[in-house]
Amino acid sequence: EIVLTQSPDFQSVTPKEKVTITCRASQSIGSSLHWYQQKPDQSPKLLIKYASQSISGVPSRFSGSGSGTDFTLTINSLEAEDAATYYCHQSSSYPLTFGGGTKVEIK
Amino acid sequence: QVQLQESGPGLVKPSQTLSLTCTVSGGSISSGSYYWSWIRQPAGKGLEWIGRIYTSGSTNYNPSLKSRVTISVDTSKNQFSLKLSSVTAADTAVYYCAREVRDGDEYYYYMDVWGKGTTVTVSS
Repeated sequence: EIVLTQSPDFQSVTPKEKVTITCRASQSIGSSLHWYQQKPDQSPKLLIKYASQSISGVPSRFSGSGSGTDFTLTINSLEAEDAATYYCHQSSSYPLTFGGGTKVEIK
Repeated sequence: QVQLQESGPGLVKPSQTLSLTCTVSGGSISSGSYYWSWIRQPAGKGLEWIGRIYTSGSTNYNPSLKSRVTISVDTSKNQFSLKLSSVTAADTAVYYCAREVRDGDEYYYYMDVWGKGTTVTVSS
């Protein structure tokens, strides 16, 4: 099983600040890494596919990078509506797995 | 656009079988090359993939649950279903269904559409 380790677990951030979340895979997964945003009492929403590809309708302040085992989700100029938990997810091999999540709080 | 909606009992007794259905609207479950997945999330915790079924009917399950899980599809009703047997309190969670797609030049899938989730509590 591929384990995805996210860091940090929690981040308290001021609006307009830049946020960086990392996801490390226990073995190489190429670019089969995707990012989701989950707000309280909502289902996850796709933010980034294939490590760095943008999704239609998702604000351009969200971007992803990385390949192999190390990946990053960046939120440029954080907005209040970005308060949520962010998950990485790998679809390279079974079982499909998710990172433990990073909760982003707005100061 | 495609929407997914989970349905089923919100309360299941220990040792019984949890049964949920995901209804697909806005598109045919049997058209295109999609996987249809189940994912769960215990309160305050992370996401766990349960398993999936391909458009053709082939399935993949999480080994941690494989002995208790069955996922099936009913194309006439545009639905796919989850059965989880011998449930315990540890199976209490919000259960989501999701569609998996892949871009034309890619091999791997990602989950692009999710249902709103349904809460299942295992308790006597």
